[in-house]
Amino acid sequence: DIQMTQSPSSLSASVGDKVTITCRASQDISDNLAWYQQKPGKAPKFLLYAPSFLQSGVPSRFSGSGSGTDFTLTISSLQPEDVATYYCQNYYSAPYTFGQGTRLEIK
Amino acid sequence: QITLRESGPTLVKPTQTLTLTCTFSGFSLKTTGVGVGWIRQPPGEALEWLALIFWDDNERYTPSLKTRLTITKDTSKNQVVLTMTTMDPADTATYYCVHRPNSGSFFDYWGQGTLVTVSS
Repeated sequence: DIQMTQSPSSLSASVGDKVTITCRASQDISDNLAWYQQKPGKAPKFLLYAPSFLQSGVPSRFSGSGSGTDFTLTISSLQPEDVATYYCQNYYSAPYTFGQGTRLEIK
Repeated sequence: QITLRESGPTLVKPTQTLTLTCTFSGFSLKTTGVGVGWIRQPPGEALEWLALIFWDDNERYTPSLKTRLTITKDTSKNQVVLTMTTMDPADTATYYCVHRPNSGSFFDYWGQGTLVTVSS
């Protein structure tokens, strides 16, 4: 199985800050990486895939980059509604593993 | 628009078999490349992909649970069913039904989820 490791596990930032979350795959997954946002008590929401293509309706302050084993999710200017847990997911091969999540809070 | 809705028991006893149904609308499971899958999340824990069924009847399962899982589809009813045998308290989780688009095995639409508790 491909292991997905996110860092940090949690972070606190101020409104307006640039935030970066990292995801590392245990082997080369090319660009087969997706990101999700999960707010408390809600189902996850799909944000990006491949890994820089933004899902329709997702704010442009969200962006993704990377290839191979190292990927990043960036929020260019943190907003209060971005408080959530973020997950990366490998879709290069089954099993389609997720990272352990990064919990984002407002400072 | 695409919607998915999970249904099934909220409480099952240890050793019993869980049967969950996903009823969807807004797409067809006959469309090339499309799939429907299941993902679960124990309380306070991360997401775990379980199974995926494709438009062409191919199936994929997470290896650690493969012997306990079966995923089937009924395209006439727009439903996908997941069965999990020999339930254990460690299987307590919210179970999500998800849509796989034809561009890759990521999941662009999710059901609201259903919490299944395993307890005697």
